[in-house]
Amino acid sequence: SQQGEEDPQALSIQEGENATMNCSYKTSINNLQWYRQNSGRGLVHLILIRSNEREKHSGRLRVTLDTSKKSSSLLITASRATDTASYFCATDDKSQGNLIFGKGTKLSVKP
Amino acid sequence: DSGVTQTPKHLITATGQRVTLRCSPRSGDLSVYWYQQSLDQGLQFLIQYYNGEERAKGNILERFSAQQFPDLHSELNLSSLELGDSALYFCASSVAVQGRAPGELFFGEGSRLTVL
Repeated sequence: SQQGEEDPQALSIQEGENATMNCSYKTSINNLQWYRQNSGRGLVHLILIRSNEREKHSGRLRVTLDTSKKSSSLLITASRATDTASYFCATDDKSQGNLIFGKGTKLSVKP
Repeated sequence: DSGVTQTPKHLITATGQRVTLRCSPRSGDLSVYWYQQSLDQGLQFLIQYYNGEERAKGNILERFSAQQFPDLHSELNLSSLELGDSALYFCASSVAVQGRAPGELFFGEGSRLTVL
């Protein structure tokens, strides 16, 4: 089944720097979503981008979507220590209507 | 607080046993999803219910089963447990409309299952 694959698997940066995470997927989608998970907690939705959108912003988050390359990126600007978490992309399975998640990028922001 | 409630939060049991995990979705959400998250693994989709009916099935083992009740709460039953079943089990809900792509999912805090 289709699945988003995040890259890199782990990312360590200093506070104030920007963090970029990438996601690639395999088949056509209706939308792509990004979620955040603090260690051992439930996932929290960050942003949804539709297949006919190319870029979307929400606060310090910027998401891009390139359907021709089947890829998306999540940019967190001016990172904070509290941004430390795992970030997952999720794509909809058109045939079944459920969401398929990748393995995530573990982001560590050092103060 | 996502509005999704999962119980129990932690569960320790032995191999061969059976457990039931419970999920109460957000008020008004008709869709319930179950995911399994093992150490260093992403979320594996198990199964989805919509308004009481099974809608989508992922890599759910035959030893696992689920259902959604008329009041929309859902239960995930895990039987003949093995060491490898130790994981975090998440329930999520959404307002998903039949035939349309799922929007935002609201996740519970998960049930951590340890099989000894």
